[in-house]
Amino acid sequence: GAVVSQHPSRVICKSGTSVKIECRSLDFQATTMFWYRQFPKQSLMLMATSNEGSKATYEQGVEKDKFLINHASLTLSTLTVTSAHPEDSSFYICSARHRLGYEQYFGPGTRLTVT
Amino acid sequence: SQQGEEDPQALSIQEGENATMNCSYKTSINNLQWYRQNSGRGLVHLILIRSNEREKHSGRLRVTLDTSKKSSSLLITASRAADTASYFCATDGAGTALIFGKGTTLSVSS
Repeated sequence: GAVVSQHPSRVICKSGTSVKIECRSLDFQATTMFWYRQFPKQSLMLMATSNEGSKATYEQGVEKDKFLINHASLTLSTLTVTSAHPEDSSFYICSARHRLGYEQYFGPGTRLTVT
Repeated sequence: SQQGEEDPQALSIQEGENATMNCSYKTSINNLQWYRQNSGRGLVHLILIRSNEREKHSGRLRVTLDTSKKSSSLLITASRAADTASYFCATDGAGTALIFGKGTTLSVSS
């Protein structure tokens, strides 16, 4: 089956620093990747849609200058949380849609804690 | 953005009982999917039902879809303690991102 990885799985950073999260499709090409955020005891909220080679599309209320998304290849998208604050602490999950179909495959998530 | 609601928000049952969760959504869909998430972990895909299907089974899972009411239900039969998790429905339109409902937290006690 299609596998999506995320790195790191957990990260703790100090307030004001930036942290990068990688999302990789390991055995398929993904023209589109999606980034979600999940706060404790809540559902997944779509943050942005990332298309290979073009600018990401952000959902309303998500600051594009704070959450930088780069999708430079068909197997890698990165999310950089800039100038992180404690309220950015959350579970970040990516998904990748196969180039040839509609199915999405989810990564295992990255737990970000900002101290 | 969120597509809709699941109900109940929380459900507690005994092992062996059936658990039913409902999901409502707002817009037209291509398909609806159900996912399970254990506390602090990633998503596990359970089942996908297409908009032209009304019912689908997979093991102890039964999913129904009523597009006229924009609703779906997930039935887990003969629950086990290992079924304890949060359950989310997710919908997509024409190849767009999956939009998740708020989820139902299921607790199965032995």
